[in-house]
Amino acid sequence: DAGVIQSPRHEVTEMGQEVTLRCKPISGHDYLFWYRQTMMRGLELLIYFNNNVPIDDSGMPEDRFSAKMPNASFSTLKIQPSEPRDSAVYFCASSWGQGAYEQYFGPGTRLTVT
Amino acid sequence: SQQGEEDPQALSIQEGENATMNCSYKTSINNLQWYRQNSGRGLVHLILIRSNEREKHSGRLRVTLDTSKKSSSLLITASRAADTASYFCATAAEPWGGATNKLIFGTGTLLAVQP
Repeated sequence: DAGVIQSPRHEVTEMGQEVTLRCKPISGHDYLFWYRQTMMRGLELLIYFNNNVPIDDSGMPEDRFSAKMPNASFSTLKIQPSEPRDSAVYFCASSWGQGAYEQYFGPGTRLTVT
Repeated sequence: SQQGEEDPQALSIQEGENATMNCSYKTSINNLQWYRQNSGRGLVHLILIRSNEREKHSGRLRVTLDTSKKSSSLLITASRAADTASYFCATAAEPWGGATNKLIFGTGTLLAVQP
């Protein structure tokens, strides 16, 4: 299995631009999570999906952030407009089954907003 | 707010020594997990211990859980240079109103194993 796939691995953009991060979970997994990691705030859960439906988006920082999961093998996290404080590493993770079991993380997307 | 707080924040040891990291949390949990993160990489799951378990082993890893003190420890025995990484605890809250798959990650311990 290829594991969780994220693209791009690195993204540099200017303030005000739209940014789209992509994730392909492990085949057969029914939960998908988006996290953000910074030195100041550590690893924060932004949103998670079950069977393509958003379950908890309480960690989404503001309306500039949106996430979708149109099918079981693809999810996007969009920031519009981007700001320098959005600079972070964004991780996607997936897991299988109800209950908080182990999560499989992707390699992350390092976002820099100048 | 973060559920888990790890201690120490950083730890430097020699190869062959044992490394112990601690995690404290605030609310009742269903399970507690430990993850490793190598520099520039995603997190990798190491071990899961349920709230009704007190100790668990996996290879050179030993995890303990004390729910009365709301704390856990991760022991890595006979450490190797390849163990150099950040280690995070993650807690799954006791579900109310239905199951949850949400994990709350701690602040992490940066372990450096000197060859």
